[in-house]
Amino acid sequence: DAGITQSPRHKVTETGTPVTLRCHQTENHRYMYWYRQDPGHGLRLIHYSYGVKDTDKGEVSDGYSVSRSKTEDFLLTLESATSSQTSVYFCAIRTNRGSSYEQYFGPGTRLTVT
Amino acid sequence: GESVGLHLPTLSVQEGDNSIINCAYSNSASDYFIWYKQESGKGPQFIIDIRSNMDKRQGQRVTVLLNKTVKHLSLQIAATQPGDSAVYFCAESGTSYGKLTFGQGTILTVHP
Repeated sequence: DAGITQSPRHKVTETGTPVTLRCHQTENHRYMYWYRQDPGHGLRLIHYSYGVKDTDKGEVSDGYSVSRSKTEDFLLTLESATSSQTSVYFCAIRTNRGSSYEQYFGPGTRLTVT
Repeated sequence: GESVGLHLPTLSVQEGDNSIINCAYSNSASDYFIWYKQESGKGPQFIIDIRSNMDKRQGQRVTVLLNKTVKHLSLQIAATQPGDSAVYFCAESGTSYGKLTFGQGTILTVHP
């Protein structure tokens, strides 16, 4: 599992409330990613980080922000949750093996916005 | 943006058969491809990858084939087992940041 944990694993929240999801890794990987997975879709990239305080947008970044103040933690925030953000959220890290882009995923967080 | 897609959304095979899962990609600039397996309630699990300068790579019971001429990727699983039942995703990357674009997935069901 490449030492990746996500918290919480499940969350139900109301529309309009802020939500923060946490991804924690123990192996000092430089690159971290947040994806969402919805029925009928593969995973879609929300945001990614290539170092402490270095982040950038992915394919579906609207309504999300991220922060990375230390190597081991990558936080995903929904400033004001909407029902369209009901999804399963996966964090991933990229291993440091030369030019390989191998990414390993965490167990996921199931978020329901009511 | 560019996307990666799959030809078959579902595949059913008998235990012991060989399975082939296909994927078409549209970004000719992609230089790295990965296959993932995802079991219910779990995150995607890395299976095998291939760079664009290769056309075949083998792992344990799995082989990935890449045909850049027609932008096609396939995953072959030999002697498929019930434990192989899962959703399989292909993904591609063309940047140094390793950002992946995923296909929609193929459901593989292995019958005993």
